[in-house]
Amino acid sequence: GNSVTQMEGPVTLSEEAFLTINCTYTATGYPSLFWYVQYPGEGLQLLLKATKADDKGSNKGFEATYRKETTSFHLEKGSVQVSDSAVYFCALILYSGAGSYQLTFGKGTKLSVIP
Amino acid sequence: DTGVSQDPRHKITKRGQNVTFRCDPISEHNRLYWYRQTLGQGPEFLTYFQNEAQLEKSRLLSDRFSAERPKGSFSTLEIQRTEQGDSAMYLCASSEAMGYGYTFGSGTRLTVV
Repeated sequence: GNSVTQMEGPVTLSEEAFLTINCTYTATGYPSLFWYVQYPGEGLQLLLKATKADDKGSNKGFEATYRKETTSFHLEKGSVQVSDSAVYFCALILYSGAGSYQLTFGKGTKLSVIP
Repeated sequence: DTGVSQDPRHKITKRGQNVTFRCDPISEHNRLYWYRQTLGQGPEFLTYFQNEAQLEKSRLLSDRFSAERPKGSFSTLEIQRTEQGDSAMYLCASSEAMGYGYTFGSGTRLTVV
């Protein structure tokens, strides 16, 4: 089956530190890859995506590159802010064969940024 | 359009009671999904609607769960005879017909006591 493995948290960083959250996947097909962010008490917001190998998704200073050879999609940001404190989910999407595109999520990594 | 709306935001119920949640998707989206997120886990797929037809159901959706989408607009998710293990965040999402870009709602947090 399909699965996503991401580094366990929590991760605590000082403001302006460099962030990396590792994500690897296994999939039965050729998935598109996503990073979602969840702020406390909220639903999921799409942070960035990549649809094919070597694509780089980017948004709000976050970046991730689709690496097919290593089945990875690591999230990076050069300088984190307190407002980046949230839970980050790596996910893949594949056509289910029965009409839907189903997302498969990792367990999430909680990031806390301290001033 | 204000995005995907879910109601209520929070629900506390006693074990054995029935609960119903509502989701209003983005109006032009004909695909609607329900996911469940338990504490410390990522969301897991529950069920999928295309218009009013429920085309897929996860094995996670026991026979105590039922979902509907009358007229292909809003959707409801009902849980009968709730159990403590049903405590979770229930997320609704919608997407366009020809794409897979999801928009999630803010979720309904269910606590069964």
